[in-house]
Amino acid sequence: DVKVTQSSRYLVKRTGEKVFLECVQDMDHENMFWYRQDPGLGLRLIYFSYDVKMKEKGDIPEGYSVSREKKERFSLILESASTNQTSMYLCASSSESGANVLTFGAGSRLTVL
Amino acid sequence: AQSVTQPDIHITVSEGASLELRCNYSYGATPYLFWYVQSPGQGLQLLLKYFSGDTLVQGIKGFEAEFKRSQSSFNLRKPSVHWSDAAEYFCAVGARYKLSFGAGTTVTVRA
Repeated sequence: DVKVTQSSRYLVKRTGEKVFLECVQDMDHENMFWYRQDPGLGLRLIYFSYDVKMKEKGDIPEGYSVSREKKERFSLILESASTNQTSMYLCASSSESGANVLTFGAGSRLTVL
Repeated sequence: AQSVTQPDIHITVSEGASLELRCNYSYGATPYLFWYVQSPGQGLQLLLKYFSGDTLVQGIKGFEAEFKRSQSSFNLRKPSVHWSDAAEYFCAVGARYKLSFGAGTTVTVRA
């Protein structure tokens, strides 16, 4: 019954490493999102995509990039990880007809040492 | 700019007691409003949503919320809390692609 799958639940990386976070959804949703969740700050939007190969910056895009080559897959890339990117990353998807009702994955907890 | 304030960081409630979580928002037009719940180690799950119409909306797990435009509020309520309701609750506001989330309220349920 899993609908949004984030491939890595826990990752530990070193400063300067390139990090890929993968997200796959099986609901044929047009829109996909990457959020960052930090205690006391709630969820902040990093990037979203409303179609294949299309992307838009969210509120905190600095230090991140994304890729959407297929409709079902949305990747978050940290080109050179830094300690202040230690966080929980949540992927979500929604349909165009779904009026912003997001379906979330379980999250990927990234620690950068 | 849109924003959400959840004034209570942490609430402790006894099992069987009522629960109310506060949410205040700032938005330039008629908002879409949501409540999500996150259980430990899980992603967020939609509890309920408001788009238009009846200002009292019913959600899953016995939760309801009331939209009050004059107070810019969308408070979440449950008449009788169960131990399984211990979780973090997020209020969100927005439209189309951009939702803004509050900082969350953690609910602890004591026996």
